[in-house]
Amino acid sequence: DTGVSQNPRHKITKRGQNVTFRCDPISEHNRLYWYRQTLGQGPEFLTYFQNEAQLEKSRLLSDRFSAERPKGSFSTLEIQRTEQGDSAMYLCASSLRRVGINEKLFFGSGTQLSVL
Amino acid sequence: QKEVEQNSGPLSVPEGAIASLNCTYSDRVSQSFFWYRQYSGKSPELIMSIYSNGDKEDGRFTAQLNKASQYVSLLIRDSQPSDSATYLCAVKDAGNNRKLIWGLGTSLAVNP
Repeated sequence: DTGVSQNPRHKITKRGQNVTFRCDPISEHNRLYWYRQTLGQGPEFLTYFQNEAQLEKSRLLSDRFSAERPKGSFSTLEIQRTEQGDSAMYLCASSLRRVGINEKLFFGSGTQLSVL
Repeated sequence: QKEVEQNSGPLSVPEGAIASLNCTYSDRVSQSFFWYRQYSGKSPELIMSIYSNGDKEDGRFTAQLNKASQYVSLLIRDSQPSDSATYLCAVKDAGNNRKLIWGLGTSLAVNP
């Protein structure tokens, strides 16, 4: 168990470019979450997967954001036509959801995105 | 609107003292509560979870839950400078068990 892994750690891009982030969850975890966090704020929910199914997406998320989790393993988050307001820390978290087990979220180290 | 509130701080305590962090929540049917520690520029790290009224201890950390008063607190005994961080309170949304409602965090500074 190596924890939740995210790549890259930092991404600097120009406005209008597309970026893609990757998350590898803890291997036995069936739920995977993407959050976004800016300075002085708590994490903001973006989207969530149970295995390979994307079951919920924040209404705050524009059409420029898309996420996938093929085969229920790693996940990618893509932002198209980036804007300066997209600059934030993008956090991935995973958890094990089973009957009788209290779910706990474990976060990766995050990807810090800067849009110039 | 379901809310979780924390005093933003900074809370400053001397090394070796007890640090007390508080969190209140609005949804009285909430059942699951979490404390995360976040160092500057890093991701949140789960340090305590609590589900029942009363105290739960883990090393130097004690989480206290009072559902009637809708508050959850975190006590850190024998505070160390390495405990200096932002502490985030999160409450599972009782109406949607996939969602956590987050506070804005309390900044703690432990002075040597």
